[in-house]
Amino acid sequence: DAGVIQSPRHEVTEMGQEVTLRCKPISGHDYLFWYRQTMMRGLELLIYFNNNVPIDDSGMPEDRFSAKMPNASFSTLKIQPSEPRDSAVYFCASTPGQGAIGELFFGEGSRLTVL
Amino acid sequence: AQSVTQPDIHITVSEGASLELRCNYSYGATPYLFWYVQSPGQGLQLLLKYFSGDTLVQGIKGFEAEFKRSQSSFNLRKPSVHWSDAAEYFCAVGALKAAGNKLTFGGGTRVLVKP
Repeated sequence: DAGVIQSPRHEVTEMGQEVTLRCKPISGHDYLFWYRQTMMRGLELLIYFNNNVPIDDSGMPEDRFSAKMPNASFSTLKIQPSEPRDSAVYFCASTPGQGAIGELFFGEGSRLTVL
Repeated sequence: AQSVTQPDIHITVSEGASLELRCNYSYGATPYLFWYVQSPGQGLQLLLKYFSGDTLVQGIKGFEAEFKRSQSSFNLRKPSVHWSDAAEYFCAVGALKAAGNKLTFGGGTRVLVKP
């Protein structure tokens, strides 16, 4: 079975550029999460969706960050404009929901470096 | 608000020796607790979970964890470590509401395995 698929795996960009990270959740999963991982702050939940609807975006750092889920099989996390402090590994995860409480299936992550 | 503390940032253990990773949580109600493992360059994978019932739970890869309410702890153990267990381990607590499936992660413990 295909797991959660993220792209790109690595992105190097310059400060001020727009960055778009993509995620395809596991088919049939109702919940999708975006996490950010850094050495300083560990794993932080940025936003999560249920049935394509954003439920909680309180972890989104600021207005430069936005996330969408136009359909059940695709989500994007966009940073515009990017800054060096956005450098991190961004993970997407999905879960079926109440029937599998807490069992998140993670993608391999997108490592972002902003110069 | 819930929180998770993993007191040990790094642990080095010899192959074949036992391993115990500490996790302390803070949560106002009965917690849902999880351990995840992250191999280098990979996303997180669920090792085991505790919801209720037997306080000693078994997971994949020979791991187990014990929930101790009186100590607010959920320590992870393995009797005999293999070189492939070198990874980072994350404890997490769930905030499970009807509309959500959020997890709060600890800072992680990196395990190094000596030959």
